[in-house]
Amino acid sequence: GQQVQQSPTSLVLQEGENAELQCNFSTSLNSMQWFYQRPGGSLISVFYNPSGTKQSGRLTSTTVIKERRSSLHISSSQITDSGTYLCAMGRTSSGQKLVFGQGTILKVYL
Amino acid sequence: EAAVTQSPRSKVAVTGGKVTLSCHQTNNHDYMYWYRQDTGHGLRLIHYSYVADSTEKGDIPDGYKASRPSQENFSLILELASLSQTAVYFCASSAWGGGDQDTQYFGPGTRLLVL
Repeated sequence: GQQVQQSPTSLVLQEGENAELQCNFSTSLNSMQWFYQRPGGSLISVFYNPSGTKQSGRLTSTTVIKERRSSLHISSSQITDSGTYLCAMGRTSSGQKLVFGQGTILKVYL
Repeated sequence: EAAVTQSPRSKVAVTGGKVTLSCHQTNNHDYMYWYRQDTGHGLRLIHYSYVADSTEKGDIPDGYKASRPSQENFSLILELASLSQTAVYFCASSAWGGGDQDTQYFGPGTRLLVL
């Protein structure tokens, strides 16, 4: 079965609203990464966050290993935040064989 | 800034033909990876390598071979391309050592269409 589940599948926001993206994993992990992907584009690392909370500007990631979940919070969304957000679970302590979720498509409009 | 390049950026291949996708990184990273992404799906790991002249199978290796002739270069080979291998292929690299060093840096992707 799917080891990494992301929700929601898609999200539409008006600019200025906040977004909460969830990632749940079914097995134990050694790391968690969040990536951003523009339509037709490559993946850009947003957070490497195996546990705890990290913040970068308007983005905050929280990973709770015991609960097997990670979240990405986007505050005061902007049109340029539109795209797909993917979470990926690392199964080894190094080298990172990643298992990806299917992604959350975020659309922000004026 | 990490740099991973891929070539070609897009390719049309015929069923049964041989396809080679190339990846080059200037990050001095030990680890390199090949993923495929299908419409509506996340990425799936095909092959990876942690040292030159050695490759390892990922989650979906069937129908693919990989080659790592040097630290900087990693190729994905489809000996007999099939329709089901139409996808976008991404190469990535990462350092070794745990923590933030394991962050993977991705190339721009190669769009492969098999007809």
